[in-house]
Amino acid sequence: EAQVTQNPRYLITVTGKKLTVTCSQNMNHEYMSWYRQDPGLGLRQIYYSMNVEVTDKGDVPEGYKVSRKEKRNFPLILESPSPNQTSLYFCASSLGLSAGDTQYFGPGTRLTVL
Amino acid sequence: GQQVMQIPQYQHVQEGEDFTTYCNSSTTLSNIQWYKQRPGGHPVFLIQLVKSGEVKKQKRLTFQFGEAKKNSSLHITATQTTDVGTYFCAGPAGGYQKVTFGIGTKLQVIP
Repeated sequence: EAQVTQNPRYLITVTGKKLTVTCSQNMNHEYMSWYRQDPGLGLRQIYYSMNVEVTDKGDVPEGYKVSRKEKRNFPLILESPSPNQTSLYFCASSLGLSAGDTQYFGPGTRLTVL
Repeated sequence: GQQVMQIPQYQHVQEGEDFTTYCNSSTTLSNIQWYKQRPGGHPVFLIQLVKSGEVKKQKRLTFQFGEAKKNSSLHITATQTTDVGTYFCAGPAGGYQKVTFGIGTKLQVIP
């Protein structure tokens, strides 16, 4: 089954404790992206990757890191989480980013930073 | 940077009434996509519009792309409880590599 998976689905942590949220897709997609969703703010893009070893900042990259060592995986790293990073995070992938390309979203990771 | 405004932010309708959400971009879009997110779920792709003035239909859903390719709308005829969710528009930005989403319209359907 074609899908995007994220782990963990729920995470409660404390300020400053490094964490990684994994994202994997089995559709051989070139483009992968991370979003955060907050009430009243919609979905905001954190980072995206056009291909292996190619990543770039989205609209809200501060406090986050990503890597794209393999095509299928795109982990999101919070080196020193803070309470303002409490949010619902979605990973997404698409074949490309041109006309006709659909973004497929993972199930989401709800992160709480105390 | 590019901004995508979406209104209304919330809409309550009686089952059977129509519903429309509007999306406006500060810049011309090469294409626009619409997604639906059910409560507790993740966004799911509905449709993509590419051509100026394009109109597409999916059963009771009608999507339009403005002539200037800066605005779009989603209209649902005779809403049903299964239409409940948040509807987002999204467009490419920053050289077509970044994506900007509207804040979404949360639809509640009262049986």
